[in-house]
Amino acid sequence: EVQLVESGGGLVQPGGSLRLSCVASGFTLSGYSMNWARQAPGKGLEWVSYISTSSSTIYYADSVKGRFTISRDNAKNSLYLQMNSLRDEDTAVYYCARGRSDSLWDYWGQGTQVTVSS
Amino acid sequence: EIVLTQSPATLSLSPGERATLSCRASQSVSIYLAWYQQKPGQAPRLLIYDASNRATGIPARFSGSGSGTDFTLTISSLEPEDFAVYYCKQRAIWPPYTFGQGTKLEIK
Repeated sequence: EVQLVESGGGLVQPGGSLRLSCVASGFTLSGYSMNWARQAPGKGLEWVSYISTSSSTIYYADSVKGRFTISRDNAKNSLYLQMNSLRDEDTAVYYCARGRSDSLWDYWGQGTQVTVSS
Repeated sequence: EIVLTQSPATLSLSPGERATLSCRASQSVSIYLAWYQQKPGQAPRLLIYDASNRATGIPARFSGSGSGTDFTLTISSLEPEDFAVYYCKQRAIWPPYTFGQGTKLEIK
């Protein structure tokens, strides 16, 4: 069974940092691109970042470029999102999602809550 | 950036009725549009990909159609568990991946 489990969320002050993790099971992470997406309270879904299978290609949404860094460790079946210089508007549930055929998101994790507040 | 516009924002129907949800793209996405279902407190679940293909385990009452800029998700006969928020997402031209703003399907 494919499973994605995020962790690392929490309450952080504006300007602070957090590192999110997403552990994959039931499949081999190295065979899939991966993504982070987020959902602010009561809002819709927003793509955050993409990483290819070998980490050779990485993209970010303009809203997080220069502040967030996506990475992966295929040996540990894990995906990461380092979030720096956090802002109030980064408050959201953060999801990792698997990319089949590179761009088809077929499985999502259950999400981890990030709250940025003083 | 491709903008996806979903309509209606809210759809109020009764179990057993037929639901028709729309997603319109600001430019052609060919067939590369997917539909997701999200229930409160849960992750999105893939229902339909590439406009008309049902994902694994999705009941036959869910169907998708369309190409280019206009797409439809149809639920032929609503079950109680189908009341949720539905999002469309395109993968034709990215980055960025873009989502519609969602349609809330509520019980009438």
